[in-house]
Amino acid sequence: NAGVTQTPKFQVLKTGQSMTLQCAQDMNHEYMSWYRQDPGMGLRLIHYSVGAGITDQGEVPNGYNVSRSTTEDFPLRLLSAAPSQTSVYFCASRRLAGRALSTDTQYFGPGTRLTVL
Amino acid sequence: AQKVTQAQTEISVVEKEDVTLDCVYETRDTTYYLFWYKQPPSGELVFLIRRNSFDEQNEISGRYSWNFQKSTSSFNFTITASQVVDSAVYFCALSEVDSSNTGKLIFGQGTTLQVKP
Repeated sequence: NAGVTQTPKFQVLKTGQSMTLQCAQDMNHEYMSWYRQDPGMGLRLIHYSVGAGITDQGEVPNGYNVSRSTTEDFPLRLLSAAPSQTSVYFCASRRLAGRALSTDTQYFGPGTRLTVL
Repeated sequence: AQKVTQAQTEISVVEKEDVTLDCVYETRDTTYYLFWYKQPPSGELVFLIRRNSFDEQNEISGRYSWNFQKSTSSFNFTITASQVVDSAVYFCALSEVDSSNTGKLIFGQGTTLQVKP
């Protein structure tokens, strides 16, 4: 198993540009999520999905869109990049355990380091 | 409100010393999970341990041990006989079950551990 994969590893954008961060997992996990990591703030949840066709907002969703057309893929879109979106982005996945979404361990991808000039 | 505090921003030790990383959490839920993740200089997030709120047994895994105390809302992590390869940022995280259906991990700010040879 490759686990959770992310592409690209590094990206530099200019303000106003758009791009998509890719995330894929081969563990057949229902739950996938995106976090951003900023210095001194730990990781914060951007969006999450509990299955194909179902997405919802996390703690810091503004400026980001997501979709989930398959179980494996969960891309994160920046429609108009801003310098405040300079960060390291992590995708994560885990199994769903019935009603309790929070019970199982989340496994993280290697991250994408994004710089917006 | 839910919160995870890692008061130690940076710790520096000499190889073979023991070191304890502190984690204090706040939650109103009675059912929750606590996690520790390691982020080495390469940047990926490595899962170390998960503990649920009903299991207060301490855990030992090789040189790593964890002390969970509900009475003080703490989940501290000790590395015995530290090694240079332990140098990393360590994150403590909380996942609530009762009050949250997002599966969100609430991260502390992280503790940077430097182990000098």
